[in-house]
Amino acid sequence: DVKVTQSSRYLVKRTGEKVFLECVQDMDHENMFWYRQDPGLGLRLIYFSYDVKMKEKGDIPEGYSVSREKKERFSLILESASTNQTSMYLCASSQSGQGRNGYTFGSGTRLTVV
Amino acid sequence: GQQVMQIPQYQHVQEGEDFTTYCNSSTTLSNIQWYKQRPGGHPVFLIQLVKSGEVKKQKRLTFQFGEAKKNSSLHITATQTTDVGTYFCAGLSGTYKYIFGTGTRLKVLA
Repeated sequence: DVKVTQSSRYLVKRTGEKVFLECVQDMDHENMFWYRQDPGLGLRLIYFSYDVKMKEKGDIPEGYSVSREKKERFSLILESASTNQTSMYLCASSQSGQGRNGYTFGSGTRLTVV
Repeated sequence: GQQVMQIPQYQHVQEGEDFTTYCNSSTTLSNIQWYKQRPGGHPVFLIQLVKSGEVKKQKRLTFQFGEAKKNSSLHITATQTTDVGTYFCAGLSGTYKYIFGTGTRLKVLA
């Protein structure tokens, strides 16, 4: 089975801290994605990557950056955490192209910024 | 930008009743995918529809893609408590990324 692993299930950080969320997939997928999920807003795309060292902004990239140095790992960075970044963060991966077999999601990281 | 809306936002049904959620896009979609997220879980891929007017079935679940490829629906016949969760549609935007709908949360009362 394809597995997407997110490093932390729950995380509490202080305002202004730099936060790293890690995501690793084990199925050699080309595409990787970071979403945040908030009640009533569904899943909103922050950044995605379709190849190593490649990244593209999603719909809500402000306040975030990403890194993809290796194919299997895609990191989300909150440069200076703020309370409005409290959310559930979901990492996903898919095969190249249009991902006909769908996205495989990690279990999520619930981040609270205090 | 492209938007994908789902209705209803919430639905409570008695076990055994049918359930339908609708997905509407502001633009024509290349394809559409459906996901289910159990309470406390993460979204899990259910199915992909590609052709105009396509209908696919998975046991009690029926998925439809509109003729104009701007809307889709998921219908569950005779709901069970195991159907509880949030159902998301996702439409392909560009080459790589899918835009997710706002989701419909289904609660099934035993």
